[in-house]
Amino acid sequence: RKEVEQDPGPFNVPEGATVAFNCTYSNSASQSFFWYRQDCRKEPKLLMSVYSSGNEDGRFTAQLNRASQYISLLIRDSKLSDSATYLCVVKAGNTGKLIFGQGTTLQVKP
Amino acid sequence: EAQVTQNPRYLITVTGKKLTVTCSQNMNHEYMSWYRQDPGLGLRQIYYSMNVEVTDKGDVPEGYKVSRKEKRNFPLILESPSPNQTSLYFCASRRAALSGNTIYFGEGSWLTVV
Repeated sequence: RKEVEQDPGPFNVPEGATVAFNCTYSNSASQSFFWYRQDCRKEPKLLMSVYSSGNEDGRFTAQLNRASQYISLLIRDSKLSDSATYLCVVKAGNTGKLIFGQGTTLQVKP
Repeated sequence: EAQVTQNPRYLITVTGKKLTVTCSQNMNHEYMSWYRQDPGLGLRQIYYSMNVEVTDKGDVPEGYKVSRKEKRNFPLILESPSPNQTSLYFCASRRAALSGNTIYFGEGSWLTVV
């Protein structure tokens, strides 16, 4: 089983749609969680950290469920510019190592 | 401007010809690492460095070497490249292994070995 798993997609949605991605992790000692965004052939960039109580940044909402060991990203009112690959990243508590999921590809269509 | 700079960005080379991909960061970060990204496999860590003169293997270190003689630089060396090392490579840095969270990536180096 992979340490961090994501549905690779692609998710094809129309503009204005709400879309949600999930990510599961296997190490219950994982300490910190993040979503990164990667545009085609570019470097990943931090989208948002994920906090235990859940957090929101504009149209983006991230949630953490430690009991079930998954994190989620919800995007409301999708824009064409949201088309990208979204990487789930988990930080191991004991080593600080960052473990990346494969990424979920989102295509927002007009 | 805070950045991680890697060179070359694009390279086509032949099997067995040694090459070095340079990486430099201007944020005084302690922790630096190299990743390769392949379709369907995501980002995999090759080597990392917790500080100057401290390096360690990641998940896929075979065929690679690194050095960390100065805090800002972390070159990736392919002593004898082979076609299975054709990939997109990212250098990255963050403040520290345990306390630093945000990781900053270079723009990537596309390497093709023929």
